[in-house]
Amino acid sequence: AQSVTQLDSHVSVSEGTPVLLRCNYSSSYSPSLFWYVQHPNKGLQLLLKYTSAATLVKGINGFEAEFKKSETSFHLTKPSAHMSDAAEYFCVVSDRDSGTYKYIFGTGTRLKVLA
Amino acid sequence: EAQVTQNPRYLITVTGKKLTVTCSQNMNHEYMSWYRQDPGLGLRQIYYSMNVEVTDKGDVPEGYKVSRKEKRNFPLILESPSPNQTSLYFCASSLSLGRGGYEQYFGPGTRLTVT
Repeated sequence: AQSVTQLDSHVSVSEGTPVLLRCNYSSSYSPSLFWYVQHPNKGLQLLLKYTSAATLVKGINGFEAEFKKSETSFHLTKPSAHMSDAAEYFCVVSDRDSGTYKYIFGTGTRLKVLA
Repeated sequence: EAQVTQNPRYLITVTGKKLTVTCSQNMNHEYMSWYRQDPGLGLRQIYYSMNVEVTDKGDVPEGYKVSRKEKRNFPLILESPSPNQTSLYFCASSLSLGRGGYEQYFGPGTRLTVT
């Protein structure tokens, strides 16, 4: 069965410094992986996705993530944090389970950006 | 504009009073799903639908019902709400789940309080 672990529930960075949000997954097949962002009182927006093409995936707002099969990781990074990046981030794996695909969400990482 | 809409956005109700949260998408998506979001637990899937008249239980289906009579609509029904169903609910849709690589589009959320 598949699962997703977001290793940090809260991350704080200073504006202009790099962001690293960590995600490990467990999957029996070839997963698709996604990062979503949720700003306060808003719905979820797709940041980027991996679907077995290039292992380094670029998303919106300068975010990118690298799929590392050997480490079963899909960490989200950004070179320079902006105040508007403050939000909650969810890592999601989509994989086949009992003949059907399911989406499994991590528990989220809340990113705080300090001025 | 491609979107998923939910109504109502906010609802306060009393224990046992039946309610329906509507969800509609205008993207001709096959796959639709309902999630609840609770602090520290991420999003958990309640029910999903692969297509019209095809629905199945997610991870936390107890106390909920759904129907999919039309492709665009996927209402969530709480026949007898209880306080433990107080939560933030999201509807989502996706082109297809057959290959697992399609991202979901989320509605704005419905904040439900059951007293």
